Amino acid sequence: DVKVTQSSRYLVKRTGEKVFLECVQDMDHENMFWYRQDPGLGLRLIYFSYDVKMKEKGDIPEGYSVSREKKERFSLILESASTNQTSMYLCASSSGAASSEQFFGPGTRLTVL
Amino acid sequence: GENVEQHPSTLSVQEGDSAVIKCTYSDSASNYFPWYKQELGKGPQLIIDIRSNVGEKKDQRIAVTLNKTAKHFSLHITETQPEDSAVYFCAATTTGGGADGLTFGKGTHLIIQP
Repeated sequence: DVKVTQSSRYLVKRTGEKVFLECVQDMDHENMFWYRQDPGLGLRLIYFSYDVKMKEKGDIPEGYSVSREKKERFSLILESASTNQTSMYLCASSSGAASSEQFFGPGTRLTVL
Repeated sequence: GENVEQHPSTLSVQEGDSAVIKCTYSDSASNYFPWYKQELGKGPQLIIDIRSNVGEKKDQRIAVTLNKTAKHFSLHITETQPEDSAVYFCAATTTGGGADGLTFGKGTHLIIQP
C-alpha cells in the first residue's frame, strides 16, 4: 500500500515564525502536492512538484514556498507564519501517469497564534 | 482557471436509500473527474473517477455520470450504509501528462440516518 506520512498531526506556532511541514511518500512517486483544507472552502492547491528540484505554483501559493531535494520528500515552508495560515495542510503523491490517483497523508493541523 | 461547484453541502438520507451529489465545472478543457471520500481524522481517498470519453462508470454501489455538454458530473450511492457517512469531494483537472493538480469542490457532508 502507498503510504504518505506527514511529520506532525498538530502544530502550534507563533506569528512571524518560520514553519516547515514535511511530507514523505514510500512509493517512488514522481508527483507530490500540497493542499490546504478550510471549512466551507474544500481543498485548495498550494504547490506541486513533478520531479526533484522542480516546483509549480498552484492556486494559492502566496505566503508559501516548497522544497523537493529528494524524490520521496516534499516540504512546505511558511517563511513568516500569519494567523490566516491557520488551516489543515494535506500532502499527496501520485505516479507519473497522467491523471493517476493521488494518495493523501493524514494532514497537519496548523494553528498560528 | 477551473472552478468546481458542488451541491449540496450537507445531505442526510435514511440507511438503505440512495444519495446523489452533483458538481459543475467551468473549464471545457477539463477531462478527468475523480471523487474522494474523507472520513474523520483522515486524508481524502479516491473512490471512483471518470474521464471525459466516458459517460458513466459503476463500481458496486457507487456510480458516476458525466455530461460534457452541460459540464456537470454526479456521484450516485445506492443502498447507503452507515459506513458511507463521510465528506465527499468532487474534483476536475485537465490532463496533459505528468503532475495534475486537482481543483476540488467545497465538499458534501453525507449523513446516513439509521
